[in-house]
Amino acid sequence: NAGVTQTPKFRVLKTGQSMTLLCAQDMNHEYMYWYRQDPGMGLRLIHYSVGEGTTAKGEVPDGYNVSRLKKQNFLLGLESAAPSQTSVYFCASSYGTSGGSAFFGPGTRLTVL
Amino acid sequence: AQSVTQPDIHITVSEGASLELRCNYSYGATPYLFWYVQSPGQGLQLLLKYFSGDTLVQGIKGFEAEFKRSQSSFNLRKPSVHWSDAAEYFCAVGGDTGFQKLVFGTGTRLLVSP
Repeated sequence: NAGVTQTPKFRVLKTGQSMTLLCAQDMNHEYMYWYRQDPGMGLRLIHYSVGEGTTAKGEVPDGYNVSRLKKQNFLLGLESAAPSQTSVYFCASSYGTSGGSAFFGPGTRLTVL
Repeated sequence: AQSVTQPDIHITVSEGASLELRCNYSYGATPYLFWYVQSPGQGLQLLLKYFSGDTLVQGIKGFEAEFKRSQSSFNLRKPSVHWSDAAEYFCAVGGDTGFQKLVFGTGTRLLVSP
C-alpha cells in the first residue's frame, strides 16, 4: 500500500517546454487534487477531480490542464511552462466530501528557467 | 469568504518545552478545522481535525488543539516538544462542502533548539 505517489520528484524545464506530472493513489479514493506550494503563500488548489472522467478548476488553474482517465491516476500538464510556475506541486486524494481529510503525496519540485 | 491566519511565520522552542501554534479563522458557518504537518521534503500529514463535539481534540504524535468559537481560534499545542517535531505546520478551515473548498494558512515553521 503505497498511498499517494508522484512522478517525477524533481524537474527543470526551460520556458515554453511542456511536461506532465503523474499522481497515483492506491486507496480507491474518489477525489483527487493538485496543489502548488509557494513560499509565504501556503497551498493553493490548481484543479481537482471528484471522480473518474471529471475535473474542475480550483483557485489557480491558469496555465495548467488535468485529466483523470483512470480512478487511480490524476495527471497535471503544463503546455508551455513559465517561470511563474516554478513551485512545489502536491497531489492529494480523499474519500469524499463532508470535510474529509486528504492524503498527500511527497511533492514534485519544478523549476522553470 | 473563509480565511485562515497563522500569525507566526517562525517559532523556536527548546526541546522539552511546551508549544502553542496559533490559528485564527474566518468562516460563516460551523467550521471544519484541520492541522497538518509537513516535514522537510515531505507531503502534508494530518495531525488532527475538528468537526463537532468536544472542543479539545487529540491528534497523533501527542498534539492537541482547542476550538474556541468566541475567539475564532484553533490553536495547536504540545506539552513537551521533541527535536523530531521540527517541521512546518499548516492550519486549514472548510465546511462540509468538500476538501476542495479547504483554505490553508501560510504555515508556521517550528524550529527546535537543543
